[in-house]
Amino acid sequence: NAGVTQTPKFQVLKTGQSMTLQCAQDMNHEYMSWYRQDPGMGLRLIHYSVGAGITDQGEVPNGYNVSRSTTEDFPLRLLSAAPSQTSVYFCASSTGQVGGTEAFFGQGTRLTVV
Amino acid sequence: RKEVEQDPGPFNVPEGATVAFNCTYSNSASQSFFWYRQDCRKEPKLLMSVYSSGNEDGRFTAQLNRASQYISLLIRDSKLSDSATYLCVVNGRDMRFGAGTRLTVKP
Repeated sequence: NAGVTQTPKFQVLKTGQSMTLQCAQDMNHEYMSWYRQDPGMGLRLIHYSVGAGITDQGEVPNGYNVSRSTTEDFPLRLLSAAPSQTSVYFCASSTGQVGGTEAFFGQGTRLTVV
Repeated sequence: RKEVEQDPGPFNVPEGATVAFNCTYSNSASQSFFWYRQDCRKEPKLLMSVYSSGNEDGRFTAQLNRASQYISLLIRDSKLSDSATYLCVVNGRDMRFGAGTRLTVKP
């Protein structure tokens, strides 16, 4: 089973560039989310979605956009990359009962903005 | 104040030791609670859920005190393979993580 697939695994961007981090899950999960992980900060929630067509902001949404046109896909867009967005990004999905269940994570995308 | 706060660690313990991690959360409306484990440069994975009645999974025991908004994880008879970062997770409207506590078990 593929589970949660994130691409790319590594990326280097120049300041001001835009890009999209891809996330796909094949478990028919309703709930999907994006986190960034920085040293000493733990995982911080960027955006999340409780189903197709529905998204909401997390703790640190500025500089990022998301959309959820299908149940399977939840891409994260960096609008104009900044060095402060250098981080490891994780996508996660779960069965969707908010407040409910085990989250499954992708392997992460290590992003460096120079 | 962070929504979820954990002991920063690191904890360095010998094999066979018992180690306890603590976590507090600020949102009293939180509905479910978990401990995740994260190995170096890997994604987090569920270790165990945490219930008000307390629950045990082999050498691991988790406790929840809703009145004090406090969660704990106890690891008995530590193994080298327990070395990892342990993340406290609180679920309400969305899922929030603590910063994690790093554990190193030494021979």
